[in-house]
Amino acid sequence: NAGVTQTPKFQVLKTGQSMTLQCAQDMNHNSMYWYRQDPGMGLRLIYYSASEGTTDKGEVPNGYNVSRLNKREFSLRLESAAPSQTSVYFCASRLQASGNTIYFGEGSWLTVV
Amino acid sequence: GQQLNQSPQSMFIQEGEDVSMNCTSSSIFNTWLWYKQDPGEGPVLLIALYKAGELTSNGRLTAQFGITRKDSFLNISASIPSDVGIYFCAGQIGTASKLTFGTGTRLQVTL
Repeated sequence: NAGVTQTPKFQVLKTGQSMTLQCAQDMNHNSMYWYRQDPGMGLRLIYYSASEGTTDKGEVPNGYNVSRLNKREFSLRLESAAPSQTSVYFCASRLQASGNTIYFGEGSWLTVV
Repeated sequence: GQQLNQSPQSMFIQEGEDVSMNCTSSSIFNTWLWYKQDPGEGPVLLIALYKAGELTSNGRLTAQFGITRKDSFLNISASIPSDVGIYFCAGQIGTASKLTFGTGTRLQVTL
């Protein structure tokens, strides 16, 4: 039962570097999400994809881009990393865009120095 | 953006005690979810609520969807050490694609 799998688990970047966080789900879910978690802030939505072929901004999209590569995969890209993007990133998915529960990956710890 | 106020922020309790936490919103939600996050892991769903007034249990956990649809409550009875973690509420408005999360309640259980 893989569920939602995201890589890498840990990453250290220098300011200005770029990187892509990968996410894949094997539950045939239509909707996928990227959240960031910061101390005292809870989970904040960066971008989401309600269905294959669509992407939309969430609450904190600045500095990020996403690609819904296919139904299984949804990647998050930092084009020019900044220290403010140091955070824990969670990918999530759910069957439909509304009305169903959301399942999370195990998180990616990103540090930008 | 939409905010959920979750309280308390943290709790230190003794094993065997009951725990109560709540989540309030300025907007009406039609779905409330409660998640638990263990250290180094992603959040895991505990309970889902879909109707105002609904009371749902999952083992020692009981959650309620507030009648006003602007709040939800989670109770844990007879706490044990493995209850340690961060508990998040999450709400959804209408048929929106997005969930809004609370800031979390950190629970510590002492023996």
